[in-house]
Amino acid sequence: QQQVKQSPQSLIVQKGGISIINCAYENTAFDYFPWYQQFPGKGPALLIAIRPDVSEKKEGRFTISFNKSAKQFSLHIMDSQPGDSATYFCAAAKSSGDKLTFGTGTRLAVRP
Amino acid sequence: KAGVTQTPRYLIKTRGQQVTLSCSPISGHRSVSWYQQTPGQGLQFLFEYFSETQRNKGNFPGRFSGRQFSNSRSEMNVSTLELGDSALYLCASSLAGQVPYGYTFGSGTRLTVV
Repeated sequence: QQQVKQSPQSLIVQKGGISIINCAYENTAFDYFPWYQQFPGKGPALLIAIRPDVSEKKEGRFTISFNKSAKQFSLHIMDSQPGDSATYFCAAAKSSGDKLTFGTGTRLAVRP
Repeated sequence: KAGVTQTPRYLIKTRGQQVTLSCSPISGHRSVSWYQQTPGQGLQFLFEYFSETQRNKGNFPGRFSGRQFSNSRSEMNVSTLELGDSALYLCASSLAGQVPYGYTFGSGTRLTVV
């Protein structure tokens, strides 16, 4: 059972545009929602994370929007740059000590 | 400081063989978690070790096993390899009490089963 659904599978954005990736979860016990960025040949690296007690978190050009009632959260990349081209994974976990349940990933390409 | 080190980076094995992968965590990190990454299934949790004890386990068959040593280094073993075991195997280390918030992933071991 896929507990975290991610879309789209791939995304092409022009430089300077906004990239938006969406995730939906099923398990209401999840209380930690990170986004990871992975470049080819590298492991995933934590980009930004949010807890369900806030609806939005911003770090630089990256923003997470969280909708607890809809059980959805999304990543917005403002002013997208070619260096942002990577695969992005959303994830969720229930509590400290729990494993991460990952979405299936979104391959982002930012065109110059 | 040094990151999470996984060895080897690439491995080719024949179906039916067994394989051992190694992970050296960041100094001071006592928790090591393993994930399997495939194009079809994404990242799937294998297991987590803390202080030489398996603390959490995913839904993988018993052919997948692991262990952790007193210096926090971890190994995972896959016996009787199947073609479907071809994947990128990632380990992530974190401080005690920081699982999964403080995960730092290694670059992985790419296993190809032929």
